[in-house]
Amino acid sequence: SYVLTQPPSVSVAPGETARVPCGGDNIGSKSVHWYQHRPGQAPVLVIYYRSDRPSGIPERFSGSNSGNTATLTISRVEAGDEADYYCQVWDSTHDHPVFGGGTKLTVL
Amino acid sequence: EVQLLESGGGLVQPGGSLRLSCAASGFTFNSYAMTWVRRAPGKGLEWVSSISRNGGKSSYADSVRGRFTISRDNTKNTLFLQMDSLRAEDTAFYYCAKDLGGGGSLIFDYWGQGALVTVSS
Repeated sequence: SYVLTQPPSVSVAPGETARVPCGGDNIGSKSVHWYQHRPGQAPVLVIYYRSDRPSGIPERFSGSNSGNTATLTISRVEAGDEADYYCQVWDSTHDHPVFGGGTKLTVL
Repeated sequence: EVQLLESGGGLVQPGGSLRLSCAASGFTFNSYAMTWVRRAPGKGLEWVSSISRNGGKSSYADSVRGRFTISRDNTKNTLFLQMDSLRAEDTAFYYCAKDLGGGGSLIFDYWGQGALVTVSS
């Protein structure tokens, strides 16, 4: 199965920029999607097809993807952005979705 | 407004069974593939199973294949997950999720709040 690797945690001060990496073999050739999951709440799609945002998601959220790393970037971080963030791709070999292990974003 | 509401979770002994339901509203249910995703305590999101718009095609994670069965009733706008031969490692919140595109994009644009399944003696 295709493996996605994320750091367990990322910390950032309010107003700064957070970057959450997602590593995978030649992930730059895949469409990467990102979800935000706050404890006790439903997960939320924040980025799809690398850099598209669903309606209601602030422009502060953006995505990039090249080589072996995709990155979720959150600009001007707010306290409300504190959550777990997951990358996801479609594993074409096994025909099913795969999630990264998740990164806990802490706003200092 | 899209709404997904899971039910049917609870405490079950190892080897037992549970059936989860997900009541959908706010969209044309039979136009979208649907998926179950779970999150175990202290762990990340894990894809469990997906089903096509008309129910004719389904797929499963290796960890649940042969024990879980996904189905849907398009007349009642409801998704199901029948879970048999449950194990302690199946303990998790189970979320139903709607597919972004009608053709089964495997991108999940709406999720339910989750149903807790606890497998313990």
